Amino acid sequence: AQSVSQHNHHVILSEAASLELGCNYSYGGTVNLFWYVQYPGQHLQLLLKYFSGDPLVKGIKGFEAEFIKSKFSFNLRKPSVQWSDTAEYFCAVNEGGGGSQGNLIFGKGTKLSVKP
Amino acid sequence: KAGVTQTPRYLIKTRGQQVTLSCSPISGHRSVSWYQQTPGQGLQFLFEYFSETQRNKGNFPGRFSGRQFSNSRSEMNVSTLELGDSALYLCASSFLGAPTGELFFGEGSRLTVL
Repeated sequence: AQSVSQHNHHVILSEAASLELGCNYSYGGTVNLFWYVQYPGQHLQLLLKYFSGDPLVKGIKGFEAEFIKSKFSFNLRKPSVQWSDTAEYFCAVNEGGGGSQGNLIFGKGTKLSVKP
Repeated sequence: KAGVTQTPRYLIKTRGQQVTLSCSPISGHRSVSWYQQTPGQGLQFLFEYFSETQRNKGNFPGRFSGRQFSNSRSEMNVSTLELGDSALYLCASSFLGAPTGELFFGEGSRLTVL
């Protein structure tokens, strides 16, 4: 069965620090990859997604993620975080290949706290 | 465009009771998925409905069931509630469903079982 690992449970950074959140998945076939974000008191929303093509994906609010197939990884990055980036971040994966079957498998999330 | 609406937002039940949660997807979306979110297990997939048919099902006991109506609104039901069913239940809609489409989540229904 597919699984998604997010190794950092809680990350604390100061404003302007760089961010990298790790995400590894276990599935040998074609995958679609996602990062979702949940701001305090708000619903989950899509940050960025990768289906195919350029492995460096840019999302909203200055976030980007790099798909490294050989490492089964899809790490999220941001060069300079802001206090407003305080949220919980979820990596998700599902079977790709163009079919519409399958559900999203989520990691357990990483809480990011940014100190002003 | 109105977002995904889930009702009720909060509810408290006792063990052995049953509960029904409702989800109204974004207009035009045909896929509705349900997830259970707990601090220990994170987000776990329950099931997905597409055009009134259950298309995928997660690894939950038969006490968890759902359905989708012709207007794409969906309900999920949990019978014989257990303490471990306390969780945030999230509904997500999309036009085609994962993986081809982005999932739009509601704010969830928080169930507490006493």
